[in-house]
Amino acid sequence: GNSVTQMEGPVTLSEEAFLTINCTYTATGYPSLFWYVQYPGEGLQLLLKATKADDKGSNKGFEATYRKETTSFHLEKGSVQVSDSAVYFCALGGSQGNLIFGKGTKLSVKP
Amino acid sequence: DSGVTQTPKHLITATGQRVTLRCSPRSGDLSVYWYQQSLDQGLQFLIQYYNGEERAKGNILERFSAQQFPDLHSELNLSSLELGDSALYFCASSATGTDNSPLHFGNGTRLTVT
Repeated sequence: GNSVTQMEGPVTLSEEAFLTINCTYTATGYPSLFWYVQYPGEGLQLLLKATKADDKGSNKGFEATYRKETTSFHLEKGSVQVSDSAVYFCALGGSQGNLIFGKGTKLSVKP
Repeated sequence: DSGVTQTPKHLITATGQRVTLRCSPRSGDLSVYWYQQSLDQGLQFLIQYYNGEERAKGNILERFSAQQFPDLHSELNLSSLELGDSALYFCASSATGTDNSPLHFGNGTRLTVT
C-alpha cells in the first residue's frame, strides 16, 4: 500500500543553517505530496504542496520538489530561524483526499 | 486559526468508559477527517465523511464510531476505552475531499485513559 518514510529526528541546527529533511514515498499512481508543520500545542498546518512530477512547492522560505524518478519530496530551507522549531510531516494524498503521513521529524533551532 | 474547532481540548476518563469528541469544520468545507496521533503509531487516519456520508475508512477500531450531521459537524465516539486509546485526536476538514484539496486541522482533543 501507499506509505511515506521520512528521516527520523530530532534534528538540531543553529540559526541560519541549511535544512534538509528527507522524505520518500511508495504509491500507486501519482498522488499529491504535502509538507505539514506542527507547532507545540497546535494542530497541523499545511506548509507546501506539489501535485505532479517536477512541481516545486514553496512557502515561507521552505521548498520541496516532487521527484518521480527518486520517489522523493525532500524539504529544504536555506537559512532556518528559531521560530522554525516544530515537527514536520511529509504526507501523500489518498484517492479520497485522506492523507498518509510520515512519522514526523522534530526540528530544534538554537540561537 | 484554521477555522476547525474541536471540543473538548482535554478529556480524562477511566478504562471501560465511553466518550464523544466533537468537531466543527471550517465554514464551507464538506469533508471531515479524523486522525489519531500517538507517540508509537504517529498520525493514523481513522475515518472520513463527505457531506454526511462515510467516504473512507482507515485504521479505525470497531469500538470507535463516527458520524457527520446535516450541519456538517462531526462526532467521534470511543467506547470500552483502554489505556492504549490515550492519544491526541485530530479532526481536519477540506472543501472537496479530493486529492488536491488541502486539509485544515483543528488543535486536537487530548484523551487520557486512566
